[in-house]
Amino acid sequence: KQEVTQIPAALSVPEGENLVLNCSFTDSAIYNLQWFRQDPGKGLTSLLLIQSSQREQTSGRLNASLDKSSGRSTLYIAASQPGDSATYLCAVRTGSARQLTFGSGTQLTVLP
Amino acid sequence: NAGVTQTPKFQVLKTGQSMTLQCAQDMNHEYMSWYRQDPGMGLRLIHYSVGAGITDQGEVPNGYNVSRSTTEDFPLRLLSAAPSQTSVYFCASSRTGAEAFFGQGTRLTVV
Repeated sequence: KQEVTQIPAALSVPEGENLVLNCSFTDSAIYNLQWFRQDPGKGLTSLLLIQSSQREQTSGRLNASLDKSSGRSTLYIAASQPGDSATYLCAVRTGSARQLTFGSGTQLTVLP
Repeated sequence: NAGVTQTPKFQVLKTGQSMTLQCAQDMNHEYMSWYRQDPGMGLRLIHYSVGAGITDQGEVPNGYNVSRSTTEDFPLRLLSAAPSQTSVYFCASSRTGAEAFFGQGTRLTVV
């Protein structure tokens, strides 16, 4: 059974810092990995999708990397802003039915 | 640009009542799924569908039914609500194996 772990569970940084969120998964036979953002009381917003054949994806200040063989992904946020404060979720798609399995998330607070 | 639309946004039920959570998508995605999100448990898959007329169980299917009569709609039915079903429910859709898009969620309280 696929298991996804996100470390740390919570992170607080001052504005302007560059930061890294970590995601690890136990079964490397994935189709893709997706990073989401969730604001309190809201739905999930897709940030980046990395296919299993890719090593990284970039969108603006966000860069996600994937090392499938070691079962790891990182989300790099450059020059963090208070508006980046949210919970960040990592999910991997695996199995014959291509299910999404989620980590428990990292709650990020960027202090002004 | 509706994307994935869930209704209602909030609902309070009494134990034993039944109800249907609605989910509709306008992206012609074949794959749709329902998750519940609970504190400390993350998002867990309830049921999913790979196309009209095809559904299957996820990790936590007990107490829920689904059907998929059209590509656009994937309703989730609570047969006899229990306090343990108090949760936030999310519907998602995607092309098979591709980027997933989520609705805004339904916050359900069972008293």
